[in-house]
Formats: sequence, C-alpha cells, structure tokens
Amino acid sequence: QVQLQQSGPSLVQPSQTLSLTCIVSGGSISSGDSLWTWLRQHPGKGLEWVGHTFPSGDAHYNPSLQGRVAISVDTSKNHFSLNLYSVTAADTAIYYCAKGPTGDKIDYWGQGTLVTVSS
Amino acid sequence: DVVMTQSPLSLPVTLGQTASISCWSSQSLVYSDGNSYLNWFHQRPGQSPRRLIYRSSNRDSGVPERFSGSGSGTNFTLEISRVEAADVGVYYCMQATHWPPVTFGQGTRLE
Repeated sequence: QVQLQQSGPSLVQPSQTLSLTCIVSGGSISSGDSLWTWLRQHPGKGLEWVGHTFPSGDAHYNPSLQGRVAISVDTSKNHFSLNLYSVTAADTAIYYCAKGPTGDKIDYWGQGTLVTVSS
Repeated sequence: DVVMTQSPLSLPVTLGQTASISCWSSQSLVYSDGNSYLNWFHQRPGQSPRRLIYRSSNRDSGVPERFSGSGSGTNFTLEISRVEAADVGVYYCMQATHWPPVTFGQGTRLE
C-alpha cells in the first residue's frame, strides 16, 4: 500500500518560493502506470488541481498558475516536489500531494500541508 | 477548461434516508478509450479527500455498497443509501478526461 508523506514549511514570505516535497513509501515512484499530483484547497473552499508529473519528469500544470509552478520527480529519493514561485497571500492554502493511475489521475491523497503566505 | 457543476451545494439529510448528488460537465467526459473519467471524492472536516468512485460507477476498495455512481457523457450522479453519521462532509466530483487542467465541482456539503 503506497503512502504519501508531505514535508515543507508552513510559512512563506510574499514574493518567495513555496517548496513542498512528497515522499513515497510502500512502492516505487517509477512504477509504470503512475501519475504524481499536487493540488490545493484555499481555506474553506473547494479543490484546485495544481499539476502533475509522470515518473519521467514530464509535467503538466494548471494554466491559471501562469508559469509560476514547477513539479519535479527524484526517482533516487522516491519523492516528488512542488515549487511555486513569487507567492502572494492568494497562494495561502492547504497543499496536497496525491497519486493515481494515468487514466483516473487521482486515487490517494497525502495528509495535506497548510501553507500561509505572510510576512 | 471543462466546468463541473454540482447540485445541490448543501444537502440536509436524515439518518437512514437516501442522498443524491448530481454533477454536470460542460463537455462530454467520454474519452477515446470509451471510459468516462469521472471520480467522486468525500472529504470529512479536517481530513484529506478520499476517493469513493472512479470512472463514473466503479467503487473503490473498502467503500460500502451504499455508495453508487452512475452516468455518462455530461451527466453523473452519486447516490448514498441509508445515510449514516460518518457520511457527513463535502462530496466532490472531478473530471480527468480533458486536461490540463483536471477540474472539480464546487462540492456538496452533506449535513
């Protein structure tokens, strides 16, 4: 049973970079039909897809984030990461990592990390 | 982007009754392989979402048979029979056919 453990700071200053990592255990991040995803949820709001990456590093992003986002995968460490650049208060949210098969996209979520953007 | 619309946004129910949530997509979710990539998730307060249904009507392992999904094309339904106290929370539909971006409905709060 694959488990996802998120790590990263809970407070980021405006204009800085939000960086989170999702450690995969109980399975390989390189397994064939797998997709590794980041999502977020603004306080009290609905769910927003940030982007996902295949194990090859081929990543796709939400156009709404206007080129501020990068998702990378490190197969040697069995983890994948999110970098969100030039953050503002509007990026304050609970960030989730998730996994799933390439068709359905998401079948399991990490525990979530509340990231607050504030000086 | 494919817009997902859920109804109702709030659903008061009595324990033991049946609850039904609708989800419409602005485009057909039928993919070239014949599947409709429509997932249903349940999020309890303070918890991560949990997937209940995938490809419109397939129940995930461990999900009670009280939960059933149906629909195809642009119109989908999640039905919860014999509602229990543990079923409270927010239910989201999500389409994974047309991306980027993957998109979610606004959520339906079951209370």
